[in-house]
Amino acid sequence: NAGVTQTPKFQVLKTGQSMTLQCAQDMNHNSMYWYRQDPGMGLRLIYYSASEGTTDKGEVPNGYNVSRLNKREFSLRLESAAPSQTSVYFCASSEQYAGSQPQHFGDGTRLSIL
Amino acid sequence: KQEVTQIPAALSVPEGENLVLNCSFTDSAIYNLQWFRQDPGKGLTSLLLIQSSQREQTSGRLNASLDKSSGRSTLYIAASQPGDSATYLCAVRPSTGGFKTIFGAGTRLFVKA
Repeated sequence: NAGVTQTPKFQVLKTGQSMTLQCAQDMNHNSMYWYRQDPGMGLRLIYYSASEGTTDKGEVPNGYNVSRLNKREFSLRLESAAPSQTSVYFCASSEQYAGSQPQHFGDGTRLSIL
Repeated sequence: KQEVTQIPAALSVPEGENLVLNCSFTDSAIYNLQWFRQDPGKGLTSLLLIQSSQREQTSGRLNASLDKSSGRSTLYIAASQPGDSATYLCAVRPSTGGFKTIFGAGTRLFVKA
């Protein structure tokens, strides 16, 4: 059971470089999410896609872009990486955006910006 | 603005002890509340989800309660085991403002053998 798969697991970038984090789910979920987790701050929502073809900003969208490539895949792009974007990034999915079902998480991507 | 607080930030208990983790939120207008477990270097695993109309949910040795009016939830772990050592996060889904889930910072639990 793959669930939510994130690639890569680790990445080190230099300031100004760009990169795309990949996420795929095999549970036929409609909604997908990108969060970042920083020490002592819990998870914060960056962007979400309530359904295929739609994306919306979350709590901390600045410096990021997303693409809902199809129902399975939701990617997060850093166009010009900054040290403040050093974090652990989690992708999640759920059956519906406003439903009662829980969110399922990937194992995260640990990103360091030097 | 909804805020979620978890106290304590860290907790160490001997094996076998019953324990309670606390979660408080500032706005009672919530759709649901969810408890997660996070192991080091891993993602979040959903433990229990309580709808706003419910008072509690149980799964095995875990029991989560919800008191919307006071803005509190507790996660009760019975007969704790070393394998319960992890970080436990509470998250609320507001019923207004676009349903965006708000997470607490978590309680790091260590159960000593």
